[in-house]
Amino acid sequence: DGGITQSPKYLFRKEGQNVTLSCEQNLNHDAMYWYRQDPGQGLRLIYYSQIVNDFQKGDIAEGYSVSREKKESFPLTVTSAQKNPTAFYLCASSRGQGGYTEAFFGQGTRLTVV
Amino acid sequence: GDSVTQMEGPVTLSEEAFLTINCTYTATGYPSLFWYVQYPGEGLQLLLKATKADDKGSNKGFEATYRKETTSFHLEKGSVQVSDSAVYFCALYHNQGGKLIFGQGTELSVKP
Repeated sequence: DGGITQSPKYLFRKEGQNVTLSCEQNLNHDAMYWYRQDPGQGLRLIYYSQIVNDFQKGDIAEGYSVSREKKESFPLTVTSAQKNPTAFYLCASSRGQGGYTEAFFGQGTRLTVV
Repeated sequence: GDSVTQMEGPVTLSEEAFLTINCTYTATGYPSLFWYVQYPGEGLQLLLKATKADDKGSNKGFEATYRKETTSFHLEKGSVQVSDSAVYFCALYHNQGGKLIFGQGTELSVKP
């Protein structure tokens, strides 16, 4: 079945550690997105990528990094520079510009700093 | 820049009541507009969409009309059910730039 998969579902990070969240899609979509969701604040865009080997900062990119080496994969690294990383992280994919119809979402990763 | 504003929640209704969730947007040109729904602990699912002015999106009894003159895309349903309890997000996609932008979400709780 085609879809978008995020892993792990739950992740715990110690202070000062970097952690990487996985996002994989087999929908043959060009575009991929990372969002952060906090209670009462909706979804805020962290990074997005319209094509392999290219990505752009969203509204809250500080303390995060991404790579897009393969079309189907868009991992997000939460670095130690992110001061308040505890949140629910959602990955999405879509057809790229010119062919956009809708975005498909993964089930999310809940990151907690311990 | 582009932005989406939704009415604040939570919204609490009795079963079979009429639902309206307001959504307005700011964007240049002609973005596509969407409503997504999120059930507890899950990702988002597309509920309906409209890609040009005066288009009406509809699905599962929900409707929204793309109003260019008022820059709005309000979500409506004539008779809500307990199973409609969820968080609803309004979103826009601008082909120039390729960003998908969401509102803050509106939590809906439907009581029997």
